[in-house]
Amino acid sequence: AQTVTQSQPEMSVQEAETVTLSCTYDTSESDYYLFWYKQPPSRQMILVIRQEAYKQQNATENRFSVNFQKAAKSFSLKISDSQLGDAAMYFCAYIQNRDDKIIFGKGTRLHILP
Amino acid sequence: DTEVTQTPKHLVMGMTNKKSLKCEQHMGHRAMYWYKQKAKKPPELMFVYSYEKLSINESVPSRFSPECPNSSLLNLHLHALQPEDSALYLCASRDIRNTEAFFGQGTRLTVV
Repeated sequence: AQTVTQSQPEMSVQEAETVTLSCTYDTSESDYYLFWYKQPPSRQMILVIRQEAYKQQNATENRFSVNFQKAAKSFSLKISDSQLGDAAMYFCAYIQNRDDKIIFGKGTRLHILP
Repeated sequence: DTEVTQTPKHLVMGMTNKKSLKCEQHMGHRAMYWYKQKAKKPPELMFVYSYEKLSINESVPSRFSPECPNSSLLNLHLHALQPEDSALYLCASRDIRNTEAFFGQGTRLTVV
């Protein structure tokens, strides 16, 4: 069965600093995508960044970037120049195209210190 | 329009009540999902509909009954719920041409 593991239940970072959230996954599928979602207290699940498994190049979206190591099944999120609005629960997620199943990690709560 | 709309936002129901949660998307997405999320936990998959047909049921108790009347609408019918069913219920949709799922704001359900 596919699993997603986030080993950091909580993290804190000083405003304007850089933080990295870790995620590992396990799958035997070849056709899948990986995502980071952000869920602030308002509870809306918001897409932060996505990575297609067949692409070797790491995805980047403004201050957010990933380090995708396919062989190691690792997918970490780096947030640069952290802002107060980045405070939220971050979920690593995996979607396999074979059956549309979306599997979430347990989440990492990120605190931004002013 | 990249919006998934869920109604109601909040619902309080008794254990003998029957109620329904509604989810709507007009993005032409072919897959729609129901998730249950308890506080400080990740979303747990309940059901997946693909092309209006139920494709995944994660062994959800029969007191939860999903329905997909058309490609834009997804309902979750609730009957004889237990207090432990109190949670945030999230709907999501996804299209084969895009890869990510779009989520609604959720319905906060309280069973009393």
